[in-house]
Amino acid sequence: AQSVAQPEDQVNVAEGNPLTVKCTYSVSGNPYLFWYVQYPNRGLQFLLKYITGDNLVKGSYGFEAEFNKSQTSFHLKKPSALVSDSALYFCAVRGPTGGFKTIFGAGTRLFVKA
Amino acid sequence: DTAVSQTPKYLVTQMGNDKSIKCEQNLGHDTMYWYKQDSKKFLKIMFSYNNKELIINETVPNRFSPKSPDKAHLNLHINSLELGDSAVYFCASSQGGQDYNSPLHFGNGTRLTVT
Repeated sequence: AQSVAQPEDQVNVAEGNPLTVKCTYSVSGNPYLFWYVQYPNRGLQFLLKYITGDNLVKGSYGFEAEFNKSQTSFHLKKPSALVSDSALYFCAVRGPTGGFKTIFGAGTRLFVKA
Repeated sequence: DTAVSQTPKYLVTQMGNDKSIKCEQNLGHDTMYWYKQDSKKFLKIMFSYNNKELIINETVPNRFSPKSPDKAHLNLHINSLELGDSAVYFCASSQGGQDYNSPLHFGNGTRLTVT
């Protein structure tokens, strides 16, 4: 069965500092990994995905994510946080054995303080 | 142009009533989904249709019935509403088929409150 874990309910970071939001996954076969962001009263927006190839994936708004197969992790990163990055972030996984299902982690709330 | 649109945005109703939520996508996607987001923001897939065919039907009470009249529309009808149905319901779409790397595109949600 596919699953995603986001071990932190909340991440606090000062504006201008680097940020990391953690994600680990469990899936049979090659994983398809995604990060989404949700702003208040909005639907989720796609940030980036890992399918295959380079372990460092670049996405929207300056975000990037590092895929680590041995640690089954897909952490979201940004070199310099902005106050406007404050939102709810979801890691998600889809795998061949899961068919069309995208399974989401519980979400991590990011607070960026000015 | 809104890519995935849901109506209504807010729905307040009493227990026992029947209500529907509508969703339309103009992205040309083959697959559409309903997700439920609870008060703790946890997202759970409910249903998925691919080209009008039901392909995912999670453990959801049979009071919930999806309908896809065509691949651009997916509606959700809920009978005999209960307090526990209160949540935000999101419609989403993706390319579908064997295109596992296609991300989901979400609507802005329908906040259902059952009193």
